[in-house]
Amino acid sequence: DAGITQSPRHKVTETGTPVTLRCHQTENHRYMYWYRQDPGHGLRLIHYSYGVKDTDKGEVSDGYSVSRSKTEDFLLTLESATSSQTSVYFCAMTGTGEAGELFFGEGSRLTVL
Amino acid sequence: EDKVVQSPLSLVVHEGDTVTLNCSYEVTNFRSLLWYKQEKKAPTFLFMLTSSGIEKKSGRLSSILDKKELFSILNITATQTGDSAIYLCAVRGNEKLTFGTGTRLTIIP
Repeated sequence: DAGITQSPRHKVTETGTPVTLRCHQTENHRYMYWYRQDPGHGLRLIHYSYGVKDTDKGEVSDGYSVSRSKTEDFLLTLESATSSQTSVYFCAMTGTGEAGELFFGEGSRLTVL
Repeated sequence: EDKVVQSPLSLVVHEGDTVTLNCSYEVTNFRSLLWYKQEKKAPTFLFMLTSSGIEKKSGRLSSILDKKELFSILNITATQTGDSAIYLCAVRGNEKLTFGTGTRLTIIP
């Protein structure tokens, strides 16, 4: 209902293959984020974007790249997937509230065999 | 580096009990502290606390922020089975949110 969707929702792939996850928002929000969530680690920021073609690294960016060619789309690419990248990936966008609470997509579960 | 620590890691209580979840933080240029509830899917927003709003309440849930001691608590009274979830605390410094690892709350009927 917050106007943010992720695809695919589930993916199984093999080590060494490239993978791209897509995040699409319909709210025209400036800020978008990719997080991964793992047991014992909570949500950790991978990359974020503060506008078209403007991106920056988060705390766990190694092995990931992002692109934002349009306001509504934020892509996360695993250049060569590894088993350590098996995780649930959440996309989020900053809403319009004071100091910007995040609205999350439904998550993409990625399994790397 | 910004840091958020939540306690306890997990909590099991009976329906009707009151629970208190804790969140302490260290962050540069504090702007806000947010609480989220996560059931099976995406986290959903509960509260945001800032320098101008250090106490929030919604139904059975309430939260306070102590900016001097750098912590927040989330209280849930008269707990129900639907309150079972992971509760996440996050703190915003500049442009990014830093999340704690969460508290897993289980309510036994």
